[in-house]
Amino acid sequence: AQSVTQLGSHVSVSEGALVLLRCNYSSSVPPYLFWYVQYPNQGLQLLLKYTTGATLVKGINGFEAEFKKSETSFHLTKPSAHMSDAAEYFCAVSENTGFQKLVFGTGTRLLVSP
Amino acid sequence: EAGVAQSPRYKIIEKRQSVAFWCNPISGHATLYWYQQILGQGPKLLIQFQNNGVVDDSQLPKDRFSAERLKGVDSTLKIQPAKLEDSAVYLCASGLAGGTGELFFGEGSRLTVL
Repeated sequence: AQSVTQLGSHVSVSEGALVLLRCNYSSSVPPYLFWYVQYPNQGLQLLLKYTTGATLVKGINGFEAEFKKSETSFHLTKPSAHMSDAAEYFCAVSENTGFQKLVFGTGTRLLVSP
Repeated sequence: EAGVAQSPRYKIIEKRQSVAFWCNPISGHATLYWYQQILGQGPKLLIQFQNNGVVDDSQLPKDRFSAERLKGVDSTLKIQPAKLEDSAVYLCASGLAGGTGELFFGEGSRLTVL
């Protein structure tokens, strides 16, 4: 069964600093990988996804992630944090089989200080 | 395009009472999911539908939780009787059959059990 580990329940950065949120996955078959963002009292919104092809994936709001099969990782980065990036971020994995379902990590709360 | 609609947004009940949540997915989406998100945790899949059939309900506490998706469109999740540990946000999501696993989430229904 697939699983996701997110290192660090909280990450704090200053505005303008690099954002790095870590995600490692476990899957017995080639995975589909996702990052979702959740703002307070809202549902989850897709930031980006990796299915096949290019391993560097660009998403919305300047975020990107790189799929590294050898490291079973899919870390999320953004060169320069903005105050509006403060939210909860979830990494998720879906196996490339018939009926897809997302398995989520425990989430990382990003705090951005001025 | 209308998103995933959920109601009610908030519900407070006493333990042992019952509650029902409703979800209307994005038009044309064959798959529908109910996730439970306990405070500080990632979403956990409760049940997955493909049209009006259940694909996966392995993590649904069937002694108290039930869900149905009549006519393959709207869905209802019921809890009876509720326990304190059922306090959570219940997220509904929908997706395309045979897709890459990308899901579209509603804003969630927050349940507080006193």
